[in-house]
Amino acid sequence: NAGVMQNPRHLVRRRGQEARLRCSPMKGHSHVYWYRQLPEEGLKFMVYLQKENIIDESGMPKERFSAEFPKEGPSILRIQQVVRGDSAAYFCASSSRGGATDTQYFGPGTRLTVL
Amino acid sequence: EDQVTQSPEALRLQEGESSSLNCSYTVSGLRGLFWYRQDPGKGPEFLFTLYSAGEEKEKERLKATLTKKESFLHITAPKPEDSATYLCAVHRNQAGTALIFGKGTTLSVSS
Repeated sequence: NAGVMQNPRHLVRRRGQEARLRCSPMKGHSHVYWYRQLPEEGLKFMVYLQKENIIDESGMPKERFSAEFPKEGPSILRIQQVVRGDSAAYFCASSSRGGATDTQYFGPGTRLTVL
Repeated sequence: EDQVTQSPEALRLQEGESSSLNCSYTVSGLRGLFWYRQDPGKGPEFLFTLYSAGEEKEKERLKATLTKKESFLHITAPKPEDSATYLCAVHRNQAGTALIFGKGTTLSVSS
């Protein structure tokens, strides 16, 4: 009964490189959420996706960040031309129905370090 | 503006010393309040969901309660393994989207 899976768990990139973070939701879940946790700050919502659709990207920076959840395969959060301020823990969560009362279950996170 | 505030930021307890964590929220039309536990280097682990004022939920030494403006997480006779950061979150008033998190309360229980 696997939970939400994220990989890699740790990712080191130099400024200007691209970072790709992957998330496989829990079995039976088709709703995926991405959050970012900066040091000394709370979790902040970035984007909400269903299969092949972005539902809410109101928390996503306008430039360099993109997300997808294809019909087959994991959800991917992509950060182009990373900067030091992108260093953070990125968490993925999934839910079964996507409703406002639905519980979101979190993965272990990917810790991105930008040198 | 929707907001979640948790207090205290940090709490140190002796084993067996009961206490409560507070989560106050301002959100138009609460649809659910969620409590999570987060251990260092790990993702948030779901604990409870509360939907309406007066509701209570219990799990082992933890009990969560909800009023119209705040929620409490009561910890009875804590053990060192209860040490973690406890996060409170609410949904924005839109179906199926963002959770708004507080900054958390970091609990340390010493034996």
